[in-house]
Amino acid sequence: DAKTTQPTSMDCAEGRAANLPCNHSTISGNEYVYWYRQIHSQGPQYIIHGLKNNETNEMASLIITEDRKSSTLILPHATLRDTAVYYCIVRVVGAGSYQLTFGKGTKLSVIP
Amino acid sequence: NAGVTQTPKFRVLKTGQSMTLLCAQDMNHEYMYWYRQDPGMGLRLIHYSVGEGTTAKGEVPDGYNVSRLKKQNFLLGLESAAPSQTSVYFCASRKVAGGLDIQYFGAGTRLSVL
Repeated sequence: DAKTTQPTSMDCAEGRAANLPCNHSTISGNEYVYWYRQIHSQGPQYIIHGLKNNETNEMASLIITEDRKSSTLILPHATLRDTAVYYCIVRVVGAGSYQLTFGKGTKLSVIP
Repeated sequence: NAGVTQTPKFRVLKTGQSMTLLCAQDMNHEYMYWYRQDPGMGLRLIHYSVGEGTTAKGEVPDGYNVSRLKKQNFLLGLESAAPSQTSVYFCASRKVAGGLDIQYFGAGTRLSVL
């Protein structure tokens, strides 16, 4: 799985958009970008994933650059409940890939 | 709609005691995983299972055993607990379908070994 680089921490004002960047310059053509988050003391939670097109669901949007070397997770209207550690994971999907490898992630603090 | 349920939520053991952590999923997933998370660190894979009756070692399997006798349950055993096994344990089940590959996590079991 390709290595990812994320900022250690970020702050965001409540109600504003939170934009969390991730660099994955060594990504391969068959690797997807996945985002999970872990709210304090809880299990990690899947947010969104994509291959090369931008994606949106009820939780967030994922913007992947054309060269696929970086991506941005967007929480359009951050709330206090979005305070968590956000993990960007790049991996091949399917039966042959067993383990999720969580790095340090970005600690997002949503401020009232 | 329970998803992944872990029991117990908290446990305190003395060194040398044994215990079993239970993970149950109601999503009919083939794959299940046990991770541990130490303070300020990421998750590390202990053992995993790719289907009923199968288990395999992960990154940090020593001191743990697992069983998957039923598809919906994945048990993690500590035969002789050590203080180094103080951690938060997370179970996950995995959905693989087409381009989807998502792991669903339980709420965790907080274990202290004195």
